[in-house]
Amino acid sequence: GESVGLHLPTLSVQEGDNSIINCAYSNSASDYFIWYKQESGKGPQFIIDIRSNMDKRQGQRVTVLLNKTVKHLSLQIAATQPGDSAVYFCAENGVRQLTFGSGTQLTVLP
Amino acid sequence: KAGVTQTPRYLIKTRGQQVTLSCSPISGHRSVSWYQQTPGQGLQFLFEYFSETQRNKGNFPGRFSGRQFSNSRSEMNVSTLELGDSALYLCASSLVSREYNEQFFGPGTRLTVL
Repeated sequence: GESVGLHLPTLSVQEGDNSIINCAYSNSASDYFIWYKQESGKGPQFIIDIRSNMDKRQGQRVTVLLNKTVKHLSLQIAATQPGDSAVYFCAENGVRQLTFGSGTQLTVLP
Repeated sequence: KAGVTQTPRYLIKTRGQQVTLSCSPISGHRSVSWYQQTPGQGLQFLFEYFSETQRNKGNFPGRFSGRQFSNSRSEMNVSTLELGDSALYLCASSLVSREYNEQFFGPGTRLTVL
């Protein structure tokens, strides 16, 4: 069936470097994606979203890229900070439910 | 504006028991969704309620049920608990029940089944 997944379960980056977290999906009809950040002991927190009529969207220090041809999206975090350490999920926002990928644990090294 | 609140935050039960978890959505939000989060299966959708009606249901056994009250608060119940039900149960609220509607998550209830 349709699924949303993530490439790497863990990612370590140096403080100040840029981070790139990848996500693949299988349903070509998917048209709305959201990136969530989940810190330890908390629920997922909305970071940024993108619809299929866009291939790039920018927020504060974050950029999401969507490649519909290869069914891939990525989250780029500029100048990664210690507070960015968390698990990041991509999710497909379908009809009245979210389908989540498996998550990437981002660790920011001092 | 207060966020989504869930009670209790932690719960320990034994196999065969039942449990009820509570969720209070953000004021004005009418849709409440429930998710189960486990290390093995990740985040999985349980069900969604809007205006006291279940609008959508995930692929979980009938032991998992829920309801929503007229004030939009929601409860979920798990009967005949199994070890595999140990998980973080997350509630999310949104303004209305439709696509492209941002969901706000609560901190979750950590359920441990012994």
